[in-house]
Amino acid sequence: QSALTQPASVSGSPGQSITISCTGTSSDVGSYNLVSWYQQHPGKAPKLMIYEGVKRPSGVSNRFSGSKSGNTASLTISGLQAEDEADYYCCSYAGSSTSWVFGGGTKLTVL
Amino acid sequence: QVQLQQWGAGLLKTSETLSLTCAVYGGSFSGYYWSWIRQPPGKGLEWIGEINHSGSTNYNPSLKSRVTISVDTSKNQFSLKLSSVTAADTAVYYCARQVRPTAAGTGAYFDIWGQGTMVTVSS
Repeated sequence: QSALTQPASVSGSPGQSITISCTGTSSDVGSYNLVSWYQQHPGKAPKLMIYEGVKRPSGVSNRFSGSKSGNTASLTISGLQAEDEADYYCCSYAGSSTSWVFGGGTKLTVL
Repeated sequence: QVQLQQWGAGLLKTSETLSLTCAVYGGSFSGYYWSWIRQPPGKGLEWIGEINHSGSTNYNPSLKSRVTISVDTSKNQFSLKLSSVTAADTAVYYCARQVRPTAAGTGAYFDIWGQGTMVTVSS
């Protein structure tokens, strides 16, 4: 059960857009449109930002959007704000035997 | 509003058993799966295992031999036990509500999380 691959860090200036990729395999990301994304500020619990690949929970800004192509899912944040600076993790369902696999996390820095 | 409140011992010695409990307040307990997830200091998230109200469990294959997750539906609580701990088990442990994947291709996410419990294993 290998972790999903994310870039270690990304950065952007306020107002810009950034995209974080999450690469898995045909056994997880590629098989299911069931990727979720979590935002984690230092010392806090993760917060659900995107589920089922593209959906936003109530209360999450529409500046956050998700997509998928093949074995790679992506999280895009538009109109970057200082409060978006955090770690971001992707997660995919991987079937009944393995169940869940997370990405290694991406640190977003707002310059 | 659903809240998860977790507790347990924060300092263990090598070879001891980690024990944590998570209580669910304010919502349905039976309609979901309930998971434990951990995060070593400075590292990413790792799913440990899950349970539903009937006691059906699934575990991360890499931890399966040492993990037991149980449920107490009378108290809307679920618990984690991890045996024979080592320094590699030092982490923040979270409990989380899981929306189970469906045959229709929906679900499969963790929408509510506990506050986290830092567990340190020392020799």
